[in-house]
Amino acid sequence: DAMVIQNPRYQVTQFGKPVTLSCSQTLNHNVMYWYQQKSSQAPKLLFHYYDKDFNNEADTPDNFQSRRPNTSFCFLDIRSPGLGDAAMYLCATSREMGRMNTEAFFGQGTRLTVV
Amino acid sequence: AQKITQTQPGMFVQEKEAVTLDCTYDTSDQSYGLFWYKQPSSGEMIFLIYQGSYDEQNATEGRYSLNFQKARKSANLVISASQLGDSAMYFCAMREGDSGNTGKLIFGQGTTLQVKP
Repeated sequence: DAMVIQNPRYQVTQFGKPVTLSCSQTLNHNVMYWYQQKSSQAPKLLFHYYDKDFNNEADTPDNFQSRRPNTSFCFLDIRSPGLGDAAMYLCATSREMGRMNTEAFFGQGTRLTVV
Repeated sequence: AQKITQTQPGMFVQEKEAVTLDCTYDTSDQSYGLFWYKQPSSGEMIFLIYQGSYDEQNATEGRYSLNFQKARKSANLVISASQLGDSAMYFCAMREGDSGNTGKLIFGQGTTLQVKP
């Protein structure tokens, strides 16, 4: 059974039109992450939540925002998508952050196309 | 500076043979963790194996083993007895000690493995 679920799997949006990607988890993990993975590139961390505490990576554009209304759900909002934002967006969770060997559980990703 | 380097963009292996996927890393931390993930065409990242910097034994998980050479800063993944279902992208990733408060994973560029029947 899927433990980290991302919806939709595929999203097409218009240039400049706000779009929201969603992620839910059944693991009751404290930490949720959003990664951006462009074609043939390594996933890159955008931001993460530890419970309700939001942590932005220094180089994440302001165009990207996130919300976590409760433990189970986390949203990625792209306010004005550009062509360069077309990518796979991966949501991940982990039980805690302090232990080195804590694995991250990933969803299947949302592939975003900007037209 | 790139922290995780995977020098093989693509690899082929014959079914039932073993294959090694290379990974080198760069860190000044004494405490760090190394992970390998598999990403099939469906997109999900699947955790395969973990090696801690203080672990003296090489990690093994079923058909997967990690050849950890700390002095060389390498953490190569060995897949034994390859199966057609092993065809996927494989990512090496690192969690550094100073990122312990974020759990942040830094990924390499990945290696695409194709298993031939």
